[in-house]
Amino acid sequence: AQSVTQPDIHITVSEGASLELRCNYSYGATPYLFWYVQSPGQGLQLLLKYFSGDTLVQGIKGFEAEFKRSQSSFNLRKPSVHWSDAAEYFCAVGFASGGSYIPTFGRGTSLIVHP
Amino acid sequence: KAGVTQTPRYLIKTRGQQVTLSCSPISGHRSVSWYQQTPGQGLQFLFEYFSETQRNKGNFPGRFSGRQFSNSRSEMNVSTLELGDSALYLCASSSSSGFSTDTQYFGPGTRLTVL
Repeated sequence: AQSVTQPDIHITVSEGASLELRCNYSYGATPYLFWYVQSPGQGLQLLLKYFSGDTLVQGIKGFEAEFKRSQSSFNLRKPSVHWSDAAEYFCAVGFASGGSYIPTFGRGTSLIVHP
Repeated sequence: KAGVTQTPRYLIKTRGQQVTLSCSPISGHRSVSWYQQTPGQGLQFLFEYFSETQRNKGNFPGRFSGRQFSNSRSEMNVSTLELGDSALYLCASSSSSGFSTDTQYFGPGTRLTVL
């Protein structure tokens, strides 16, 4: 069965510092990979997604992620964090089913930004 | 264009009761998916509807059910509520299939508390 691991429950960074959130997956076929952000009291917002092609994916809000098949990873990065980036971040892998896809989410990483 | 709306936003029920939650997708979107988010289990896929048909279902008991109407609005129902059903229920819509290349847009969720 597919699974997604986000090893870091919390990450604290200073504003302006770089950020990398880790995500590892287990899936037998070519994965469809996603990163979502959830601010307090809000639903999820898609940051970026990977289906095929270039393994470096650009997303919204200055985020990017790199798919590394050999490491089964899809880490999220941002060169300079802003205080407004403080939120919960979820990695997800989608597997095909019934003409669509079913997502499996990681447990999330809470990002704390210090001024 | 209006986003995904969910009603009600907050709900308090007692054990044994049943509850119905509503989701109105973005205009023109035909796929609606439901998710349960709890601190213990994280984000879990409940089911997906497309053109009034359930296309996928997650690993939840039969007490959880849903439907989609011809205008793409969707409802989910939970019968015989248990304390463990307390959660944030998220709805997401996309223009076609649930989790393919089309981006899913999430609503703010309905916070259900079971006493």
